[in-house]
Amino acid sequence: AQSVTQLGSHVSVSEGALVLLRCNYSSSVPPYLFWYVQYPNQGLQLLLKYTSAATLVKGINGFEAEFKKSETSFHLTKPSAHMSDAAEYFCAVSGTGGFKTIFGAGTRLFVKA
Amino acid sequence: DVKVTQSSRYLVKRTGEKVFLECVQDMDHENMFWYRQDPGLGLRLIYFSYDVKMKEKGDIPEGYSVSREKKERFSLILESASTNQTSMYLCASTPGLAGGGADTQYFGPGTRLTVL
Repeated sequence: AQSVTQLGSHVSVSEGALVLLRCNYSSSVPPYLFWYVQYPNQGLQLLLKYTSAATLVKGINGFEAEFKKSETSFHLTKPSAHMSDAAEYFCAVSGTGGFKTIFGAGTRLFVKA
Repeated sequence: DVKVTQSSRYLVKRTGEKVFLECVQDMDHENMFWYRQDPGLGLRLIYFSYDVKMKEKGDIPEGYSVSREKKERFSLILESASTNQTSMYLCASTPGLAGGGADTQYFGPGTRLTVL
């Protein structure tokens, strides 16, 4: 069985500060891991994904995430927050040979001027 | 550009009504999905389809059914809407490449359904 836990339903940072959104997963098979972003009144769009190549994954808009198997984590970071980063972020996990993706509960990011 | 469209952005229905939510993708994707999104619960899978006329139950199929008569179209049906089905409904599709779990999901903008 697979599951995802996102630590913190809300995170607030100042513009220009580091963004760190935490995600821990559980999977009985080698996982594929994703971060999606949802802007207000829109569907989700892919930020980045890990598919067993490099453990440090770079995505769009300056975001990156590091797969740490020993910690079962896939935290999302961005060195300097921008006002346009305010959105809800979802971590997700799926496995080989399957279609189902399990999503975390989401973390809403607020960026203060 | 990749496109998933949903028939309505906002919908208000009454308890007991039959409700149809339509989703169309123009990417020739094999797989299509219906999720509901509720605050604090993330996205939960209702049904998915991996081929025309094929469907599989997701995690919360009760009270819902689906139809996929054409590859590009996937419909979600609420046979008799209830107030606890008030939610945001998201449709998604994936190409269905080898190693399907690695596929990126492409989402529509969502339908916010209110059942009174």
